[in-house]
Amino acid sequence: GQQLNQSPQSMFIQEGEDVSMNCTSSSIFNTWLWYKQDPGEGPVLLIALYKAGELTSNGRLTAQFGITRKDSFLNISASIPSDVGIYFCAGVGWGGADGLTFGKGTHLIIQP
Amino acid sequence: GAGVSQSPSNKVTEKGKDVELRCDPISGHTALYWYRQSLGQGLEFLIYFQGNSAPDKSGLPSDRFSAERTGGSVSTLTIQRTQQEDSAVYLCASSPWGSGGRTGELFFGEGSRLTVL
Repeated sequence: GQQLNQSPQSMFIQEGEDVSMNCTSSSIFNTWLWYKQDPGEGPVLLIALYKAGELTSNGRLTAQFGITRKDSFLNISASIPSDVGIYFCAGVGWGGADGLTFGKGTHLIIQP
Repeated sequence: GAGVSQSPSNKVTEKGKDVELRCDPISGHTALYWYRQSLGQGLEFLIYFQGNSAPDKSGLPSDRFSAERTGGSVSTLTIQRTQQEDSAVYLCASSPWGSGGRTGELFFGEGSRLTVL
């Protein structure tokens, strides 16, 4: 099946720093999505991208759908303590489960 | 509430026992997914229901795992003869979107944490 390579696996940053994470694949995807999971909760959708090259912002979050359709990145500006959690990328391509594939997640840890 | 509801939130069982995990999706959502998440790990796809279509069971790890969805709404994930490696958080998600369109926009429940002793 299709696989997503999400990096970095974890990030230790200082409050106020900007954060960047990305997902890449050898396969083409039609949709890219970014989710955030707080401890003890289920993932929540942050941003959905539907067109190659699309750049979308949601507050301090910015995500882009790569022009090759094989990658996406998520940036968080001026991180705050509540940004802590696991960020998952997901892509919709072809295949089972409606073509939906999740990355393995990026653990974001903010040091005081 | 209006979100995806899962029960129980926590389940501790002994090795070899059967367990049932329940998911109440958001009303009207046609798609329902089950995922498994081991401690600190990613989301492992288990099974996907879409309307009246045959479910996609390709992610079920063994024949000890099964799931059904009654009346296109509530779903139950059953694990028979539980093993210690089954310990994980089992997440349910639903979506109002079918194939195409806004596929991938899922609403997750808080999960059922299963511990097998």
